[in-house]
Amino acid sequence: DIQMTQSPASLSASLGETISIECRASEDIYSNLAWYQQKSGKSPQLLIYAANRLQDGVPSRFSGSGSGTQYSLKISGMQPEDEGDYFCLQGSKFPLTFGSGTKLEIK
Amino acid sequence: QVQLQQSGAELVKPGTSVKLSCKASGYTFTSNHMNWIKQTTGQGLEWIGIINPGSGGTSYNVKFKGKATLTVDKSSSTAFMQLSSLTPEDSAVYYCARSRAFDYWGQGVMVTVSS
Repeated sequence: DIQMTQSPASLSASLGETISIECRASEDIYSNLAWYQQKSGKSPQLLIYAANRLQDGVPSRFSGSGSGTQYSLKISGMQPEDEGDYFCLQGSKFPLTFGSGTKLEIK
Repeated sequence: QVQLQQSGAELVKPGTSVKLSCKASGYTFTSNHMNWIKQTTGQGLEWIGIINPGSGGTSYNVKFKGKATLTVDKSSSTAFMQLSSLTPEDSAVYYCARSRAFDYWGQGVMVTVSS
């Protein structure tokens, strides 16, 4: 199975701050990487797919980058509504596997 | 608009089975795969498997083979997941999610396995 190592596990950011979350795959996943946000008690929502494609309706302060085994999600200008859990998902090979998640809080 | 409506919370006894449903609306049901995902505090998110509603073809995470069975009813645009031989370790929130991109998710259903 492809292991997805996500970091950091938790992050505290000030309003307006730019933050990054990383996911490292145990093998090349050829940009088959998506990022999701999950708010407390809610279902996950797709933010980024194919490593860097912004899902319709997602604010442009969210961006994704990376290739091969290394990927990142950037939030340019933290907003209060960005608090929540974030996780990555590799879609390159079955079984599909998720990162362990990052809890993002307002400082 | 695309919606995935999951069935309600379940409290079930060890050793029994439960069948969860995920009713799709707002798109052509047979045109998108459906995934099932398990979420627990300890293990995080785990992909259980995927079904092609058009053909009924499935792929499972080896970890859940024998535990989960995925089916669909095209006439009602509903996907199902049956979990068998339940143990307390099967207690979790289970989600359905559309397509390989997991672009839409159901609201989740909490399954509690307890005697």
